Order: sequence, then C-alpha cells, then structure tokens
Amino acid sequence: QVLLVESGGGVVQPGRSLTLSCAASGFTLSDYIMHWVRQAPGKGLEWVASISFDGSSEYYADSVKGRFTISRDNSKNKLFVQMKTLRREDSAMYFCGRYDYWGQGTLVTISS
Amino acid sequence: DIVMTQTPLSLSVTPGQPASISCKSSQSLLHTDGETYLYWFLQKPGQPPQLLIYEVSKRFSGVADRFSGSGSGTDFTLKISRVEPEDVAVYYCMQGVQLPRPFGQGTKLEIK
Repeated sequence: QVLLVESGGGVVQPGRSLTLSCAASGFTLSDYIMHWVRQAPGKGLEWVASISFDGSSEYYADSVKGRFTISRDNSKNKLFVQMKTLRREDSAMYFCGRYDYWGQGTLVTISS
Repeated sequence: DIVMTQTPLSLSVTPGQPASISCKSSQSLLHTDGETYLYWFLQKPGQPPQLLIYEVSKRFSGVADRFSGSGSGTDFTLKISRVEPEDVAVYYCMQGVQLPRPFGQGTKLEIK
C-alpha cells in the first residue's frame, strides 16, 4: 500500500538549517508530482513547495522562497526539503504527499 | 498563479443537517485533457490532510457517500448531506491544473 514517512524534524535555533526527508513506498515516485505542506500550531494548512515528476521544476510559497529547496531522488524513492535561515514562524508539522496520500508528518520547532 | 477562495470560513451545523462549502478559483480548472482538477480535503487536528473528493465530484476510496462535490469551470461546492459529529474538521479545496498548488483558506466545520 502507499506509504509516506517523514523524518528529520526537531528543535532548531533561529537562523539554522534543517533537512526533512520523506520515504515513499508502495508506488513509483517518479509517476507523481510531490508536495510539502505544513501546519503551524493553531493555524490552517499551508502549501510549502512542489516538485515536478523528474525534479526539473520546483515551486515555492512566497513565505519560504529563497530559503527552502525541495528535491527528490526517484531512484531511492525519497523526497526532501532543505530549510535554511529558519524563522520562528517556520515552526509547524510538515507533511509530504502526492495529493491523494500524505504522511503523518514531522514536527519542526524553531526556538532559541 | 491560481488563487482559491473558500466561503464561508466557518460553519456551525446541527447533527443531521446539511452543510455546503463554496470554492472559487481565479482561473478555470478545466484541463486540456478534458478533466477538471479540483480536490477537496479535510484535516483534523494533528492529522495529515485526507482527500475526500477528486476531479470535482469523484469520492476517494473509503469516503462516506454523504460527501459530494459539484461544479465546473471556476465555481465548486462540497456538500455534506447529513453532518455527523466526526465531520468536525477544517475543509480545504485545492486545484490540480497547474503548479503551484496553494490551498483555499479553509472552512472550519463545528457542531452546534
């Protein structure tokens, strides 16, 4: 069955970097555009970034543009998001997904 | 970029009564392949988004038949025929015609 498992979250100081991973199984990753979305405490769902089937095109929300980089390794069935210059407002649960299936999320907390 | 606008932003419904959420897109979601790519999700606190409806009106696997979607072009509606207590969630629409894929603002459904 389709399974998406995020990892890499944690507590990080403002200004530092963090990379989240998403391990995909049960389907061929290269068949899908993939997404990262997030939900900050008490807030709604926010789309963060998307990447095309082969990784040749990337799209970002204005709130993360220039700081986050989405990437994928289809040969390893993995999706990534590298997050730099992290801000307190980046604190959220981060979910990876392909639109019909989503992982359970990994929690990122930005705090000094 | 396509902008998705949902109304209302909150809804309070008596169990057993119907509920309706509107979603309008800034551009037509009719793809050149003839399909219209409009999705509805719900999200409960601490959980990943769950796909309810895809391509305007198709119920995703396991979704109760009290959920239905309709619309075309730029105007879409999610209807719950008889709201149940477990339907308490935030509901989002999202377009799948082009990247990026921001969600609508979300509609919070509460039970009276």
